[in-house]
Amino acid sequence: NAGVTQTPKFQVLKTGQSMTLQCAQDMNHNSMYWYRQDPGMGLRLIYYSASEGTTDKGEVPNGYNVSRLNKREFSLRLESAAPSQTSVYFCASRRYISGGWNTEAFFGQGTRLTVV
Amino acid sequence: GQQLNQSPQSMFIQEGEDVSMNCTSSSIFNTWLWYKQDPGEGPVLLIALYKAGELTSNGRLTAQFGITRKDSFLNISASIPSDVGIYFCAGQLDNYGQNFVFGPGTRLSVLP
Repeated sequence: NAGVTQTPKFQVLKTGQSMTLQCAQDMNHNSMYWYRQDPGMGLRLIYYSASEGTTDKGEVPNGYNVSRLNKREFSLRLESAAPSQTSVYFCASRRYISGGWNTEAFFGQGTRLTVV
Repeated sequence: GQQLNQSPQSMFIQEGEDVSMNCTSSSIFNTWLWYKQDPGEGPVLLIALYKAGELTSNGRLTAQFGITRKDSFLNISASIPSDVGIYFCAGQLDNYGQNFVFGPGTRLSVLP
């Protein structure tokens, strides 16, 4: 199994350009997440999707949009990229088990985005 | 929002030494997690803790859920070169929470 797959792995954008980061999981997990990782700040949640058809804002949603295309895929879109969005972006997924969400989130390998 | 603090921020140790790091918060958490991130990879779960006072081991790694529920500790015994990476703690408020709060990480370097 591939687990969580993110594309692309690297991207350079000019300020104002748009792009979509793709994420797919093959573990039949219910919940998917987008995080950004900045030096010295850990991972911060941008958006999440508890189930197919639902999305919710996380800690730092401004400047981003998401789409839960189906159970497998969850994309993150930057409509007008800004230098402050230079970061490493991680997609993750979790499954729901009886009594609550499984605590283990599986992460993709990340997308390193630079906005110049 | 909740914030987690990790110490030390970074550490350099000799191969074979034991390592201790901790994670503290001003908030109470019901679950504590420890993740490791290798260079160029996503974080991978090492240990999950669910009860105050719980002590759990995973090979050479041992983690404890603090009695106050506001802190957690990770120890690595007899470090080896592949222990190099960033160690993150994460806290979750409850089983139905959608978000983990992550600490800023402890960067570990192991010198041969």
